Amino acid sequence: DQQVKQNSPSLSVQEGRISILNCDYTNSMFDYFLWYKKYPAEGPTFLISISSIKDKNEDGRFTVFLNKSAKHLSLHIVPSQPGDSAVYFCAARRAETSGSRLTFGEGTQLTVNP
Amino acid sequence: DSGVTQTPKHLITATGQRVTLRCSPRSGDLSVYWYQQSLDQGLQFLIQYYNGEERAKGNILERFSAQQFPDLHSELNLSSLELGDSALYFCASGRGVPTGELFFGEGSRLTVL
Repeated sequence: DQQVKQNSPSLSVQEGRISILNCDYTNSMFDYFLWYKKYPAEGPTFLISISSIKDKNEDGRFTVFLNKSAKHLSLHIVPSQPGDSAVYFCAARRAETSGSRLTFGEGTQLTVNP
Repeated sequence: DSGVTQTPKHLITATGQRVTLRCSPRSGDLSVYWYQQSLDQGLQFLIQYYNGEERAKGNILERFSAQQFPDLHSELNLSSLELGDSALYFCASGRGVPTGELFFGEGSRLTVL
């Protein structure tokens, strides 16, 4: 049962343009959503998150939008830079008493062309 | 540098063998999580420990086991290895803060021949 899905395995954009990465989920008990970025030979690194009580969170060039009714979130990167080329994972959390396991999507490979 | 240390970085072994992967969490983090990433797949949750106790189990095979020691480092034991166990194994730690952020190590790449 894939509770978090990223339907686009890859995305290619030009430098300076907007990158939009999408993610869908099925479990309405998720209360926090996160985006991680992963470079080759490195572990995933946290990028940005959003609580289920909000619909937008912005951090510099990165903005995450949450549409709870559609169970959909997206990550916008504006403007895109070649250094943003990486695999982006969407993740969701269902709060636990002592820590929080994350459920990950399959990832989207973003390539930003100079 | 996430502060999470994993060893070894690479491991090549044969089918039927047993290996142990080690993880040291960030200072102050009580929770350790193990994830498996097979080729072109997302990260699959295996198991979580909190302060030495098993807290949650995911899709972990019976051939796999883990533990967290009093100094909070964790080990993931993989036995009777099969070709399909070849994957990246990530350890993550966290404090359960409201954002749910986890910090990942660089992973251990296991190749079973």
